[in-house]
Amino acid sequence: DIQMTQSPSSLSASVGDRVTITCRASQTISRYLNWYQQKPGKAPKVVIYDASSLQGGVPSRFSGSGSGTDFTLTISSLQPEDFATYYCQQTYITPYAFGQGTKLEIK
Amino acid sequence: EVQLVESGGGLVQPGGSLRLSCAASGFSFSNYAMNWVRQAPGKGLEWVSAVSGSGANTYYADSVKGRFTLSRDNSKNTVYLQMSSLRVEDTAIYYCAKTGRATVLRGGVSDYWGQGTLVTVSS
Repeated sequence: DIQMTQSPSSLSASVGDRVTITCRASQTISRYLNWYQQKPGKAPKVVIYDASSLQGGVPSRFSGSGSGTDFTLTISSLQPEDFATYYCQQTYITPYAFGQGTKLEIK
Repeated sequence: EVQLVESGGGLVQPGGSLRLSCAASGFSFSNYAMNWVRQAPGKGLEWVSAVSGSGANTYYADSVKGRFTLSRDNSKNTVYLQMSSLRVEDTAIYYCAKTGRATVLRGGVSDYWGQGTLVTVSS
């Protein structure tokens, strides 16, 4: 099975900061990598799919890159509503593993 | 508007069974594969199972294989997750999610999610 490893596990940042979260797959997954945002008590919401495609309705300050085994999610200028937990997920082959999550907190 | 409404969660004893349902509306149901994802209290997301749009193909996480069965009734726009031989470690919020395509393999982001239903396995 493919393992997904995110880093960091937690991150403190300020409004206006640029932040980057990384996700590494244990084997190549082409570009079948999605990023989800989850706020407390809510269902996850997709922000980036297929490594770099912005989901409709998601602000353009979110971007994704990568292919093969290494991927990044970047938020160019943090807004208050962006503080949440972010998960990557591979959909190359089942089981569709998630990363362990990155909790983005306000500094 | 896409809507997914899960039901069927509750408290069950170890070794027991439960059937979760996910009623869908607002899209052409049979054209899209569906996922179940769970989240144990205070933990991360875990993919559980997926079914193709036609219902012909199902896929499971190793942790539930042989105990859970996923099916769908396209005439009722509903997906069912039959869970048996439940364990304490199956305690979680179970989310139903629509994917962006009919097949499961190679892609299929979960683009819409339900609000989740809580399953508690405890004696």
